[in-house]
Amino acid sequence: EVQLLESGGGFVQPGGSLRLSCAASGFTFSTSGMSWVRQAPGKGPEWVSLFHDDNTRQYADSVKGRFAISRDDSRNTLYLQMNSLRVDDTAVYYCVKDRGDFWGQGTLVTVSS
Amino acid sequence: DVVMTQSPLSLPVTVGQPASISCRSSQSLVYTDGDTYLNWFHQRPGQSPRRLIYKVSNRDSGVPDRFSGSGSGTDFTLKISRVEAEDVGVYYCMHSINWPWTFGQGTKVEIK
Repeated sequence: EVQLLESGGGFVQPGGSLRLSCAASGFTFSTSGMSWVRQAPGKGPEWVSLFHDDNTRQYADSVKGRFAISRDDSRNTLYLQMNSLRVDDTAVYYCVKDRGDFWGQGTLVTVSS
Repeated sequence: DVVMTQSPLSLPVTVGQPASISCRSSQSLVYTDGDTYLNWFHQRPGQSPRRLIYKVSNRDSGVPDRFSGSGSGTDFTLKISRVEAEDVGVYYCMHSINWPWTFGQGTKVEIK
């Protein structure tokens, strides 16, 4: 059974940093593309960052230069380092496998002063 | 960026009746490999999105066969043959042909 378990969300002031983690199990993590998708309160989902199965990385323009996606295949874990956080980064952040076939339960990030 | 436009944005339905949601993309979603990268998701209140359909018409594992996807190029449709109460929530189309992958605005389905 595929499982994606996010952690690391919380409350942070504008300009602060957070590191999200996603522990994956139930599939071959090392050969899978993995993403972070966020959903602001009352809004639709937004694809934030993608770590392709060819090891290339993509970022939404809204987070480019501030967020960094990485992975540790030995630990089956995906990360999202979020720096210079802004109020409009407030959202539930989901860990997502491939082109959306499996999603985690999400972790809430709240950026507020 | 590819813009995904859904209609309607709100869809009141009667249990047992069919329902249909349209999705249009601002450019063709046919990739160089010949596949069309259009997906449909369903999100119930308080839950994570769940993918129902990938590559236009392929149902994900465990998705009831009352859900079907069709279309080509830039015009796509999700159909529910007979709506059940558990089908309420928001439906999103999404493309993954090039970056950034984007979603439609969502269609909220509710029971009349």
